[in-house]
Amino acid sequence: SQQGEEDPQALSIQEGENATMNCSYKTSINNLQWYRQNSGRGLVHLILIRSNEREKHSGRLRVTLDTSKKSSSLLITASRAADTASYFCATGSLNSGGSNYKLTFGKGTLLTVNP
Amino acid sequence: NAGVTQTPKFRVLKTGQSMTLLCAQDMNHEYMYWYRQDPGMGLRLIHYSVGEGTTAKGEVPDGYNVSRLKKQNFLLGLESAAPSQTSVYFCASRWSRGTDTQYFGPGTRLTVL
Repeated sequence: SQQGEEDPQALSIQEGENATMNCSYKTSINNLQWYRQNSGRGLVHLILIRSNEREKHSGRLRVTLDTSKKSSSLLITASRAADTASYFCATGSLNSGGSNYKLTFGKGTLLTVNP
Repeated sequence: NAGVTQTPKFRVLKTGQSMTLLCAQDMNHEYMYWYRQDPGMGLRLIHYSVGEGTTAKGEVPDGYNVSRLKKQNFLLGLESAAPSQTSVYFCASRWSRGTDTQYFGPGTRLTVL
C-alpha cells in the first residue's frame, strides 16, 4: 500500500515562480525524504527531514514536516526550466525490531516549469 | 565511481521467457533493493537485501526471485515472464548506518509481449 500521497498530481508554472508540493502519509515515521526523477532516469535524493524536525532548507528547497497532521511540503523557490521533473516523497519507518530497512514512496507530482 | 548500474537498459521478452536483471554498486553498500515503477504509480518494492547472502520479500514479490551472492551485486530474476511484468525496474542501494537515503540506478525498461 502507498504510504505517501503527493498533491497535486501535476503542476505547471512559469520560470521564476515558486512550486509547492504536498505529501500526506498514514503511519508514524522516522523520517521523510523527497526525491526527484527526470524523465526516463532514476530517482535522485533531494532532502531528508527527521520526525523531530519541522523545517529544513537546502539551496532553493524548503521542506516542512507536520507530524500532527502527517503531512510534508516541498517548496522550490525561483523555479527554472531544469526543475521540470517528477517529485516523490518517501517515508521511512522503524519496524517492530527497531530496524529501518525500507522506504515507502508516493505516486509523485509531475512539475513542469515553462520557460 | 560509477554508483549504481543496471544491465540491460532495455529488454523485450515474450510471455513465458525468463531473464535476469543485474544491479551492481561500487559504494560498498550493505542494503540493496529492487523496485518496479508503472505509469501513474510510485515505486513498489519487489525484494530487498540487507547483506550478502540474505534476501527478503517486499510489497510485490510474486513472479520474481532474487539473489545476493556478492555484496556488490543484486540479481532480479523472472522465471516465466507475464505481460503484467511490463514495467520499468529500478535498483537502489544504501549504507546500513546513518540516514536511509537510497541511491538509484538508471532503470531497466522491460516489455513482455
